[in-house]
Amino acid sequence: AQSVAQPEDQVNVAEGNPLTVKCTYSVSGNPYLFWYVQYPNRGLQFLLKYITGDNLVKGSYGFEAEFNKSQTSFHLKKPSALVSDSALYFCAVRFRGGYIPTFGRGTSLIVHP
Amino acid sequence: DTAVSQTPKYLVTQMGNDKSIKCEQNLGHDTMYWYKQDSKKFLKIMFSYNNKELIINETVPNRFSPKSPDKAHLNLHINSLELGDSAVYFCASSQMQAIPNTEAFFGQGTRLTVV
Repeated sequence: AQSVAQPEDQVNVAEGNPLTVKCTYSVSGNPYLFWYVQYPNRGLQFLLKYITGDNLVKGSYGFEAEFNKSQTSFHLKKPSALVSDSALYFCAVRFRGGYIPTFGRGTSLIVHP
Repeated sequence: DTAVSQTPKYLVTQMGNDKSIKCEQNLGHDTMYWYKQDSKKFLKIMFSYNNKELIINETVPNRFSPKSPDKAHLNLHINSLELGDSAVYFCASSQMQAIPNTEAFFGQGTRLTVV
């Protein structure tokens, strides 16, 4: 079985400050981990993924995520938040050999001017 | 050129009606999915097709029937619509077999409202 948790329903951050959106996972074996962003009235867009190798993954729009195997976490980060980053963020996990990713419940990121 | 397109974007219908949502992808992917996003934004897998064959059928009422006429299309037909079916339905695709670690590409969603 595989599962993913996003412990925060909402994250508030001031523009220009660093942001972190948390994700922890549970999966048998080694995982594939993904972050997606959903803007209002739009579909999900892929941001970045961890497959193997370097624990720090860089993605679109200046986002990055750090894979931590011991803590089973894959937190999304950005050094300096923009108001336009305000959106709903989903973490997803899929175990190797499986077909279907499991999505977290989503975290609403609000960046204040 | 839209990669994953769904029609219609909005669908308002009465209880008891039958409706279909169409999905097409032009990415050459081998796997397509239907997801349901409820009012709390929770995203739940409904079905997955790989090369036109059903590989995942989660706990979904049998009023929902997917159909995949070819690898590029996955349609969703819903019979006897109920109020609880109101949600946003997303189609997605990925290149699962050739590139197992690939990400999914999503359509813009179909907002279904049952009145």
